[in-house]
Amino acid sequence: DTAVSQTPKYLVTQMGNDKSIKCEQNLGHDTMYWYKQDSKKFLKIMFSYNNKELIINETVPNRFSPKSPDKAHLNLHINSLELGDSAVYFCASSQVGSRASSPLHFGNGTRLTVT
Amino acid sequence: AQSVTQPDIHITVSEGASLELRCNYSYGATPYLFWYVQSPGQGLQLLLKYFSGDTLVQGIKGFEAEFKRSQSSFNLRKPSVHWSDAAEYFCAVARDAGNNRKLIWGLGTSLAVNP
Repeated sequence: DTAVSQTPKYLVTQMGNDKSIKCEQNLGHDTMYWYKQDSKKFLKIMFSYNNKELIINETVPNRFSPKSPDKAHLNLHINSLELGDSAVYFCASSQVGSRASSPLHFGNGTRLTVT
Repeated sequence: AQSVTQPDIHITVSEGASLELRCNYSYGATPYLFWYVQSPGQGLQLLLKYFSGDTLVQGIKGFEAEFKRSQSSFNLRKPSVHWSDAAEYFCAVARDAGNNRKLIWGLGTSLAVNP
């Protein structure tokens, strides 16, 4: 059973297009995240949702819009894609609402290439 | 400001040799420390974590790490490296055990293993 699954694994698209990445976790965690990893492997948090409520919204262009229909799903929609959006996007989840929260569990990533 | 430094961008070791990956942090209070590994094309997987107690923590895949408050370090070690350990290794710091929503990440150390 895959704990955190995200689709698609690869996404190649042209500038100006709109695309979505989906993420689902079956761990029962209360918090989900989107991270961006650039070509130098630098990890940057983009968003975090706790029980469907947006908790963290880093300095991310408003072309990026997360949506959490329920606490097991966190999707990422990107409008008007730009070349600089090319990166690997990771979904992750954790249980935060306890004294000793669980570590992050990551999906396998979506490699987005904008041409 | 809190920060995590991984001084070595890239390390190459021979299979069977010992390994130490360095991690230094800058944080005013007691940190909560993590090491994650990212195999090629995969998401990040937790190797080990330190929250409190024994400063030498054991992780998966034969890894261990030692928390040294006086040196602000949390170095990762393995006595004998296997070829499958070739991967990217990330050190991260959280403010407290109950809130790992906003981890501070190092830039990673890329490990290559020679046969």
